[in-house]
Amino acid sequence: GAGVSQSPRYKVAKRGQDVALRCDPISGHVSLFWYQQALGQGPEFLTYFQNEAQLDKSGLPSDRFFAERPEGSVSTLKIQRTQQEDSAVYLCASINRDNEQFFGPGTRLTVL
Amino acid sequence: AQSVSQHNHHVILSEAASLELGCNYSYGGTVNLFWYVQYPGQHLQLLLKYFSGDPLVKGIKGFEAEFIKSKFSFNLRKPSVQWSDTAEYFCAVRVYTGGGNKLTFGTGTQLKVEL
Repeated sequence: GAGVSQSPRYKVAKRGQDVALRCDPISGHVSLFWYQQALGQGPEFLTYFQNEAQLDKSGLPSDRFFAERPEGSVSTLKIQRTQQEDSAVYLCASINRDNEQFFGPGTRLTVL
Repeated sequence: AQSVSQHNHHVILSEAASLELGCNYSYGGTVNLFWYVQYPGQHLQLLLKYFSGDPLVKGIKGFEAEFIKSKFSFNLRKPSVQWSDTAEYFCAVRVYTGGGNKLTFGTGTQLKVEL
């Protein structure tokens, strides 16, 4: 596709519910990133994949957060037992050969 | 760990005014620097970047930024803003460790340009 796509664009979850957020990177981009953007803040790094390998997950805030990219293309960020503090916009980005990150539109998660 | 500071959280300008948004980072080694823009209702877009070479870099839509290594700064400038420049601007740094490409962002500056 032309750009990074993410789905759903909006998600409302009840506290304690599990959610799964999907990212389709730009075709051919090897590296994929997840960021979390809280209201009024800049994006904060969560995790990074190169192909299917998760090379850095140092930004995941707790063990309730899990990301995968099993075939090296589409990635899923899963949040188990959601809490109110998980409410944020979750951004996905893929990187081209010039080390430029291209961002998707994000998924706005609201936990009630 | 590296950090990025954007001094102005909200800026209001009239059309044709000049713009300078401050960005400072804390890291003593080699860095790559970026400015991203987010127009209302749209996703983050790359405005410009600095990797090496000429410290004055030009981006899209008439924006430019100057890397001053001694000041750990990468300020964004535009000589004459337009109403359509109303957006949120984020400065970001990538620490060139050779082992990762994650970006560290500032908190953003909300720019409003009035007619």
